[in-house]
Amino acid sequence: DVKVTQSSRYLVKRTGEKVFLECVQDMDHENMFWYRQDPGLGLRLIYFSYDVKMKEKGDIPEGYSVSREKKERFSLILESASTNQTSMYLCASSLEYTEAFFGQGTRLTVV
Amino acid sequence: KNEVEQSPQNLTAQEGEFITINCSYSVGISALHWLQQHPGGGIVSLFMLSSGKKKHGRLIATINIQEKHSSLHITASHPRDSAVYICAVSPSYGGATNKLIFGTGTLLAVQP
Repeated sequence: DVKVTQSSRYLVKRTGEKVFLECVQDMDHENMFWYRQDPGLGLRLIYFSYDVKMKEKGDIPEGYSVSREKKERFSLILESASTNQTSMYLCASSLEYTEAFFGQGTRLTVV
Repeated sequence: KNEVEQSPQNLTAQEGEFITINCSYSVGISALHWLQQHPGGGIVSLFMLSSGKKKHGRLIATINIQEKHSSLHITASHPRDSAVYICAVSPSYGGATNKLIFGTGTLLAVQP
């Protein structure tokens, strides 16, 4: 079975903390994505990566950065967490022109 | 205006009913995806289609490229079908990166 695994299901962090969300896929996919999901807004793309060390900004990159040092791992970094970053974060991976596979999601609360 | 619109936003059905969820989009696409999200967060891909119709068990997805419209049908609905159903498109301008544009989802509740 293909698998995308996110490091945490639930996280509570304090305002100003640096937060790392990790995502690992075991399918040798080139493309990896970080989305956030908010009620009424659907999923919005934060960053994506199409190869190791390659990344592009999505629709809402402000306040976030990413790292992809190995093909299977894509990390999302909140440089200084703020309460408006409280959300559900979803990682996904895919090959070119194929279906996407999603992780189970991380519900992040910033207090 | 969102590039991907779904209707209805919320849907309550009785067990056994035939259910239809609609999706309209305004961009050129290479594929359309139907996704399912159960409470708790994880998203599963149900269908990826670029033309015609696909069937998997009690689920059927159709797409009309000329009208830029897709439907997801559930036959003989069951309470375990209760979930959020999300329509997403792979825009033609996205190329091979497979960046998706998502609708806001349809929350389906099937009552026994």
